Amino acid sequence: GAGVSQSPSNKVTEKGKDVELRCDPISGHTALYWYRQRLGQGLEFLIYFQGNSAPDKSGLPSDRFSAERTGESVSTLTIQRTQQEDSAVYLCASSFRPSGANVLTFGAGSRLTVL
Amino acid sequence: EDQVTQSPEALRLQEGESSSLNCSYTVSGLRGLFWYRQDPGKGPEFLFTLYSAGEEKEKERLKATLTKKESFLHITAPKPEDSATYLCAVLNQAGTALIFGKGTTLSVSS
Repeated sequence: GAGVSQSPSNKVTEKGKDVELRCDPISGHTALYWYRQRLGQGLEFLIYFQGNSAPDKSGLPSDRFSAERTGESVSTLTIQRTQQEDSAVYLCASSFRPSGANVLTFGAGSRLTVL
Repeated sequence: EDQVTQSPEALRLQEGESSSLNCSYTVSGLRGLFWYRQDPGKGPEFLFTLYSAGEEKEKERLKATLTKKESFLHITAPKPEDSATYLCAVLNQAGTALIFGKGTTLSVSS
């Protein structure tokens, strides 16, 4: 597609439920990133995928968070047993090469509200 | 620890009133400093990348500059459509992700 597509755009869930957020990167982009943006805060790095290399999971805040990527396409971020502090906008980005060599193109984000 | 601090948090300007946004950073071996613009309800949009002290980049009314410790985003004669949150980021030591500051929210009134 022309840009990074994320779904759902908005998700309201109850505390304790699991949620899945989806990201479709730009075709041909080998690198994919997930970030979290809490209200009034900067972007917080969560996880990075690059081709077939092992992902960099160093930013995941707890073991309730996990992410998968199928080849060089779709990625899913899963949050288990959601907590109110998980409420945020979850942004996905992709780049043609690793971020050191190219710029990130972001999607519009998935806004998660945990009641 | 890699760190990015932006100031001010918010800035209100009149149309045509030039100003600068600051981004100070701490990173071992700068591998790139990035400026993004974010409009409400949208993802950040890339503006500039700077790699070495003394480098400058320009785009319309925006000019980004870089020193060994900080970067400035200069806005000349801003217009209301320049209103947005401006984010600064540096590449982390592992080279795997951008570390972002909290941003400066700019409001330009006519």
